[in-house]
Amino acid sequence: QVQLVESGGGLVKPGGSLRLSCAASGFTFSDYYMSWIRQAPGKGLEWVSYLTRSATYTSYADSVKGRFTIFRDNAKNSLFLQMNSLRAEDTAVYYCARVPLSDWFFDLWGRGTLVTVSS
Amino acid sequence: QSALTQPPSASGSPGQSVTISCTGTSSDVGAYNYVSWYQQYSGKAPNLIIYEVTKRPSGVPDRFSGSKSGNTASLTVSGLQAEDEGDFYCTSYAGSNNWVFGGGTKLTVL
Repeated sequence: QVQLVESGGGLVKPGGSLRLSCAASGFTFSDYYMSWIRQAPGKGLEWVSYLTRSATYTSYADSVKGRFTIFRDNAKNSLFLQMNSLRAEDTAVYYCARVPLSDWFFDLWGRGTLVTVSS
Repeated sequence: QSALTQPPSASGSPGQSVTISCTGTSSDVGAYNYVSWYQQYSGKAPNLIIYEVTKRPSGVPDRFSGSKSGNTASLTVSGLQAEDEGDFYCTSYAGSNNWVFGGGTKLTVL
């Protein structure tokens, strides 16, 4: 079954850190670029980060640049998001999403994992 | 990057057509033919329904269609059905491996 499954969300205090994981199955993970997208409670979608197949190139939204790091392990079919210096405004459901090679849309999404930043 | 502008709500009766607009700038929507649309049911993950402005993934009904003129993209849902209710989001590639999303439109089938 072609799917993405996120994990690692939870409650963390402001200034804290959290690492999200996304397990891919049913397709050749290393053939795809990947991205993280988030959605604050009751709000719209916000693109967070992106990386290429071999992680040669990464990009970040200005709101997370310098605090978040995206990386992947193709041998384990997994995508990660290391989140440091977390703020209340980072509270959201975080989705991992697949990006077809040489294209610019998100064709497969996971179900998301909730991150809550609160004291 | 600033978010793309979508109307917060849209509505129509069963069988009617409704169009949702998505306005960006010459740096995103106007610069690239990489506008995509996503449908999201409450509490669920978004689902791709239109990519590259006009293309539909397999399995998406042809009642959904996309277009673009200048800095504004549009999604049209024809022959509205009750199951079309949900939130719709546009997004555009904005260069340098960055994307910008619209604020979302809540579609109600009356």
